[in-house]
Amino acid sequence: AQSVTQLDSQVPVFEEAPVELRCNYSSSVSVYLFWYVQYPNQGLQLLLKYLSGSTLVESINGFEAEFNKSQTSFHLRKPSVHISDTAEYFCAVSLGNTGFQKLVFGTGTRLLVSP
Amino acid sequence: DVKVTQSSRYLVKRTGEKVFLECVQDMDHENMFWYRQDPGLGLRLIYFSYDVKMKEKGDIPEGYSVSREKKERFSLILESASTNQTSMYLCASSLASVGGQPQHFGDGTRLSIL
Repeated sequence: AQSVTQLDSQVPVFEEAPVELRCNYSSSVSVYLFWYVQYPNQGLQLLLKYLSGSTLVESINGFEAEFNKSQTSFHLRKPSVHISDTAEYFCAVSLGNTGFQKLVFGTGTRLLVSP
Repeated sequence: DVKVTQSSRYLVKRTGEKVFLECVQDMDHENMFWYRQDPGLGLRLIYFSYDVKMKEKGDIPEGYSVSREKKERFSLILESASTNQTSMYLCASSLASVGGQPQHFGDGTRLSIL
């Protein structure tokens, strides 16, 4: 069975500092990987996704994630965070070869950016 | 842009009541999902549907049922609400084409059972 591990429940960081949110998954077959962001009192928004091809994927607001098959990881990074990046971030995985796409989510990492 | 609309942002009900949470999507998506979100537990799948009148149990279906009479609408029903069902409920939808389709979420319903 698939599982997703986000080891850090909370990551405090100062504004303009770099950040890495860790995500590891377990699956014996090929997967699709996603990062979602949830701002306070809102639903989840897709941040970025890895389907195939280049292992480095980027979002429009400066985040990037790298798919590492050997380490079964999909860590999310940003070189310089803003106050507005304060949110909860969820990593998710779905199987790549089934007809119905269910997602398995990690437990989330709360990013707290302070001035 | 895909729009997933949940009928209520906040809802307060009493123990034993039958509760309906409604979700509508406007992008003709085949798949629809109901999750509950609790601190430290992430999102847990309650039920999902891949077609009208079709439903499948997720990881935590006990105490819940669902209805999908029309493609755009997916309802979650708490048959007899209990305090341990106090939670944030999120609805999502996705296309049923080739793999890797992301799910699109509504803003959630924060449900309190007193």
